[in-house]
Amino acid sequence: IAGITQAPTSQILAAGRRMTLRCTQDMRHNAMYWYRQDLGLGLRLIHYSNTAGTTGKGEVPDGYSVSRANTDDFPLTLASAVPSQTSVYFCASSDVASGGTDTQYFGPGTRLTVL
Amino acid sequence: GQNIDQPTEMTATEGAIVQINCTYQTSGFNGLFWYQQHAGEAPTFLSYNVLDGLEEKGRFSSFLSRSKGYSYLLLKELQMKDSASYLCAVREGNYQLIWGAGTKLIIKP
Repeated sequence: IAGITQAPTSQILAAGRRMTLRCTQDMRHNAMYWYRQDLGLGLRLIHYSNTAGTTGKGEVPDGYSVSRANTDDFPLTLASAVPSQTSVYFCASSDVASGGTDTQYFGPGTRLTVL
Repeated sequence: GQNIDQPTEMTATEGAIVQINCTYQTSGFNGLFWYQQHAGEAPTFLSYNVLDGLEEKGRFSSFLSRSKGYSYLLLKELQMKDSASYLCAVREGNYQLIWGAGTKLIIKP
């Protein structure tokens, strides 16, 4: 593995079903993020984690949950999917260090359709 | 409130120069990023500015004026592969970024 991987690449999901999007990074970055990207809108932050064991809410957290049990993995769960959660989901990570730029690096994305 | 504005779409000719502007209004400022995103792909990092002035990286340059809340990305010697969306993002505090909607750049032969 090099960088960030996401799974699945795409998914069609029935409304009301539970779904977990997976994200794994091998760069030992301390911070990780989940975004959704919708046409005409900027990337919107769903949840983030500054370090393993801690998580925080972003701009659009409702209907989503995350966990950060270790440095590498940051899964995003939709407890009961709704059609408005149809989107492209990107996971990102960054190395937050004093004096650094804290550049975020992105995974390839998961295209989710909720019917 | 927080706001980042970029033109929705721009068209330029192969071999030419194009400037993509970004204006921002945020409660704090701790750096501005430019990313490139090809259709169907992930955003990739292009440049970072935290101090006023111009940062040059090959064919790409990025400029920042903190007093004006303004940045631009300058692309020289345009190539067809530069057709993509260009995303401006501002870091207000320590970690999180606020993103503009992106500028779709179309390059014509």
